[in-house]
Amino acid sequence: AQSVSQHNHHVILSEAASLELGCNYSYGGTVNLFWYVQYPGQHLQLLLKYFSGDPLVKGIKGFEAEFIKSKFSFNLRKPSVQWSDTAEYFCAVQGTYKYIFGTGTRLKVLA
Amino acid sequence: KAGVTQTPRYLIKTRGQQVTLSCSPISGHRSVSWYQQTPGQGLQFLFEYFSETQRNKGNFPGRFSGRQFSNSRSEMNVSTLELGDSALYLCASSLSGQGRTSSYEQYFGPGTRLTVT
Repeated sequence: AQSVSQHNHHVILSEAASLELGCNYSYGGTVNLFWYVQYPGQHLQLLLKYFSGDPLVKGIKGFEAEFIKSKFSFNLRKPSVQWSDTAEYFCAVQGTYKYIFGTGTRLKVLA
Repeated sequence: KAGVTQTPRYLIKTRGQQVTLSCSPISGHRSVSWYQQTPGQGLQFLFEYFSETQRNKGNFPGRFSGRQFSNSRSEMNVSTLELGDSALYLCASSLSGQGRTSSYEQYFGPGTRLTVT
């Protein structure tokens, strides 16, 4: 079955701490990979994406993610979080004509 | 360029009623997808339309239906509402929705918050 797993449902960090959010997927065939972010009261917006090429991709606001094909993983990282990174983060896999989203990780950054 | 718009933003309906939600994609975008977002479940894919044709459908009962018009605007209908249908319904548009290119980046609207009592 096609699925996306986000291991951490809630994460609380202090400012300047490093962040890594896990994402694993199960999908037969070639996929595109995405991380979306939903800040409080705002729309879902694209954080970064992987289509092909360099498996380490950089997105907005200092986020990056690494695609490890052998592990079916696409983990999100940021070296030093800020209070403004408080949001919900969704990993998504694009197959044929549809996205499959993970259940999301709520990140709270303490000032 | 105007973003994806959804109307209405909030709805309160009674169990058994039906509801229609509307989505206007970004100008030039031909693909519209619908999602149901609930706490703990994340985003569940409902269906995707491209050029007035449904190209893919998620695992939702037949009470959930949709359509797309020639101007790419889309509507979603839920009949015989149940309490469990209470959710945020999101619409996303993209240029083509196909292939391994940036044309498949999805842009989300603000959602319609549906409450069923």
